Amino acid sequence: KAGVTQTPRYLIKTRGQQVTLSCSPISGHRSVSWYQQTPGQGLQFLFEYFSETQRNKGNFPGRFSGRQFSNSRSEMNVSTLELGDSALYLCASSLDWRGVGRTGELFFGEGSRLTVL
Amino acid sequence: KQEVTQIPAALSVPEGENLVLNCSFTDSAIYNLQWFRQDPGKGLTSLLLIQSSQREQTSGRLNASLDKSSGRSTLYIAASQPGDSATYLCAVYSGGGADGLTFGKGTHLIIQP
Repeated sequence: KAGVTQTPRYLIKTRGQQVTLSCSPISGHRSVSWYQQTPGQGLQFLFEYFSETQRNKGNFPGRFSGRQFSNSRSEMNVSTLELGDSALYLCASSLDWRGVGRTGELFFGEGSRLTVL
Repeated sequence: KQEVTQIPAALSVPEGENLVLNCSFTDSAIYNLQWFRQDPGKGLTSLLLIQSSQREQTSGRLNASLDKSSGRSTLYIAASQPGDSATYLCAVYSGGGADGLTFGKGTHLIIQP
């Protein structure tokens, strides 16, 4: 069974550009969430999707956005890149959702490492 | 706002020792708590998931406990091996809201051969 797949694995952008990262969850998983990891701040929650709807959003500026498609694949977009956006962006998938929260174990991809020059 | 603290930040022990990693959280209203390991430059690997109604979970040489009322979890690693060297992260899931999944800073573990 394939794991969580993130593309691209590495990318370099310059300030002011925008970037789109892609995440394909484990087959059958319907919940996808995104995280930013930096040496200074550690892992921080960006947003969480279930059934094409954003369920939760972390404390990031509006430059960070995402969406989920009907096949559960997800993309996140960062516009007007800043130097501080350089980070490892991690996607995770989970099987299901109940009430206001995810019920299952989270499985992470290898991440997309973004460098902003 | 949920805050997660992991102690110690770093730990170096000789191979074969049993060890305990600690995780504390400020808000006991959680759905679940999950332990991960992360190798350098890699994603996170799930180790154990404990639902809020559970007290502990075991997988091989790993045992994780949860005391929700006191806001604490421990990860016990038995008979440590050099391959256990990694950063261990504790994450608390509080459901809806901006907290989402809140991670600790991690414990960087080195097992000396």
